[in-house]
Amino acid sequence: QSVLTQPPSVSGAPGQRVVISCTGSSSNIGAGSDVHWYQLLPGTAPKVLIHGNNNRPSGVPDRFSGTKSGTSASLAITGLQAEDEADYYCQSYDTSLSHWVFGGGTKVTVL
Amino acid sequence: QVQLQESGPGLVKPSQTLSLTCTVSGGSISSNTYYWNWIRQHPGKGLEWIGYIYYSGSTYYNPSLKSRVTISVDMSKNQFSLKVSSVTAADTAVYYCATSTALDYFDYWGQGTLVTVSS
Repeated sequence: QSVLTQPPSVSGAPGQRVVISCTGSSSNIGAGSDVHWYQLLPGTAPKVLIHGNNNRPSGVPDRFSGTKSGTSASLAITGLQAEDEADYYCQSYDTSLSHWVFGGGTKVTVL
Repeated sequence: QVQLQESGPGLVKPSQTLSLTCTVSGGSISSNTYYWNWIRQHPGKGLEWIGYIYYSGSTYYNPSLKSRVTISVDMSKNQFSLKVSSVTAADTAVYYCATSTALDYFDYWGQGTLVTVSS
């Protein structure tokens, strides 16, 4: 059972917008810990898409955006493309557990 | 740009010790910029942070694994290593090495290596 809760899957047609939620608690996201998002593709190194809630590293398309509010965060992908089909994970720091925690991951399918 | 590559046995017998190495290129493991982490992903499940080592040699482990985990560094080879003792099938996972900074996210990752615990 992951500390951060994500939907197992989301899907959308090319060009559409999808949103992945990440729900935490008062000991992690709600405690003010930043949320970060990663993209995992089979056989490749995971890639950070968003850090510090809403910051995109250089090279990450502006189709990816992050928000945080209260005890939750979201990753939005606009203009969905076939290459976006992957697993996405949120991550934060839990002040009660005193270590970094992840969500269970969300599989994005491009229809 | 830092690049990381995991290596080690893909099959470990129950009760034995899992040993993996992460080779660092494009950066020095003696840098005070990075924390050197291990993270794993159980089959079909989420990611789990295992622990890190800092250039000074200080370590910090996930409390749930602390009694069985050791992370060490070999500066002469620009590598850091993971050992997990007394493994069971529950330790079967893809193991990743990754860097982090004071900003609390993992910026560079290796491709991961699958370790299966089975007799």
